[in-house]
Amino acid sequence: KQEVTQIPAALSVPEGENLVLNCSFTDSAIYNLQWFRQDPGKGLTSLLLIQSSQREQTSGRLNASLDKSSGRSTLYIAASQPGDSATYLCAVRPGSARQLTFGSGTQLTVLP
Amino acid sequence: DAGVIQSPRHEVTEMGQEVTLRCKPISGHNSLFWYRQTMMRGLELLIYFNNNVPIDDSGMPEDRFSAKMPNASFSTLKIQPSEPRDSAVYFCASSLTRTNNEQFFGPGTRLTVL
Repeated sequence: KQEVTQIPAALSVPEGENLVLNCSFTDSAIYNLQWFRQDPGKGLTSLLLIQSSQREQTSGRLNASLDKSSGRSTLYIAASQPGDSATYLCAVRPGSARQLTFGSGTQLTVLP
Repeated sequence: DAGVIQSPRHEVTEMGQEVTLRCKPISGHNSLFWYRQTMMRGLELLIYFNNNVPIDDSGMPEDRFSAKMPNASFSTLKIQPSEPRDSAVYFCASSLTRTNNEQFFGPGTRLTVL
């Protein structure tokens, strides 16, 4: 059974810092990996999706990498801003099914 | 596109009552997913449909839960009878399998069962 772990569970940084959020998964036979952002009391917003054949995806200040063989993904946020404060969730789609398995998330606080 | 639409946004009901949650996927998407989010268990898949057909309902907690997708633009998740432990946020998501299968989530329904 696929298990997804996100470390750290919470992170607090001053504005302007570059930061890395980590995601690890136990079964490397994945179809894709998706990073989401969730604001308090809100739904999930898709940030980046990496297919199993890709190594990284970039969108603005966000860069996600994937190392399938080691079961790891990272989300890099450059020049963090208070508006980046949210919970970031990593989810993997197994190769044989369409549903996502989620990590428990990293709660990020960017201090002004 | 308006994105995935869910209703109601909030539902408060008493134990034993029937609850129906509704979802309209993004137009043209052919996969629909129901997830539940709680503090203790995080986000869990309940059931998903492909081309209106239920494919995997192994996440449905028990017989009190049922889901239908009568057409490509509408799905319901029903709980009957509801119990306090069903209190959670229920999310609906949709995706298009012909592309990269990126899932798009609705705003969720926050259910409180007293």
